[in-house]
Amino acid sequence: GAVVSQHPSRVICKSGTSVKIECRSLDFQATTMFWYRQFPKQSLMLMATSNEGSKATYEQGVEKDKFLINHASLTLSTLTVTSAHPEDSSFYICSARGLATYEQYFGPGTRLTVT
Amino acid sequence: AQTVTQSQPEMSVQEAETVTLSCTYDTSESDYYLFWYKQPPSRQMILVIRQEAYKQQNATENRFSVNFQKAAKSFSLKISDSQLGDAAMYFCAYRRSGNQFYFGTGTSLTVIP
Repeated sequence: GAVVSQHPSRVICKSGTSVKIECRSLDFQATTMFWYRQFPKQSLMLMATSNEGSKATYEQGVEKDKFLINHASLTLSTLTVTSAHPEDSSFYICSARGLATYEQYFGPGTRLTVT
Repeated sequence: AQTVTQSQPEMSVQEAETVTLSCTYDTSESDYYLFWYKQPPSRQMILVIRQEAYKQQNATENRFSVNFQKAAKSFSLKISDSQLGDAAMYFCAYRRSGNQFYFGTGTSLTVIP
C-alpha cells in the first residue's frame, strides 16, 4: 500500500525559531499534498494545499508568511513554521494524493511543541 | 460550504456488542466520497471504510458497515462484535474527487471489557 512519512515525528523548539516538517510519499508520486493541523481533542483542520511546482493555496485565516509550504518534487513537501510561538504548538498531519488514482494517504503526523 | 457533523462526542460499547456512530453532512454536490477514519492514541489516521456517493449499496468491511442515506445526507458507522482495539477517536469525512477532506469533530469510542 501507499506510504506517507513525516519527519520529524516530534519536535520541540524555542519561541522565535523556525522549524521545518517534511512530508514524503515513499512509494508513489503525489501531485498534491495537503497540510492539516489538529489541536488536542479537536478535528483536523486544513491549512493549505500544495501542488508540485506551484505556490500553495492557503485556507482562510492561515498566515502564509508564517507557514511556508514548498512542494519541490512529486515526493516531497515541506512545511516551515517561521518565528514559532507557543500557540503554534499542535499536531501537524500531511496527506498526499496519488498521481494516478486520486486516492489520498495520510502521514503519521508531527507533534510540534514551542517553548 | 461542506460541513460534516458528528453529534456524539463520546460513545461507549461493551466488548462484543454493536455500536453505531452518527454522521450527517451538507453538500450541494452529487458526486463525492464519504469516509470513516479511526485515530488511535498514536494519532495515525487509519481508513476504516469509504463510500462513493453514486453507489446505492452500503459499504462493508468485515465488522464495519455503513448506513448511507444520500437524500437525508446521513452516513452512520456500525461496528459489530466490538473489540478492545476498536477504542479510538472516529472521524467522519467528506471529500470530492481529488480534493481535500472535510472532517467532523469526532466521536471518542470507549470499549468496555
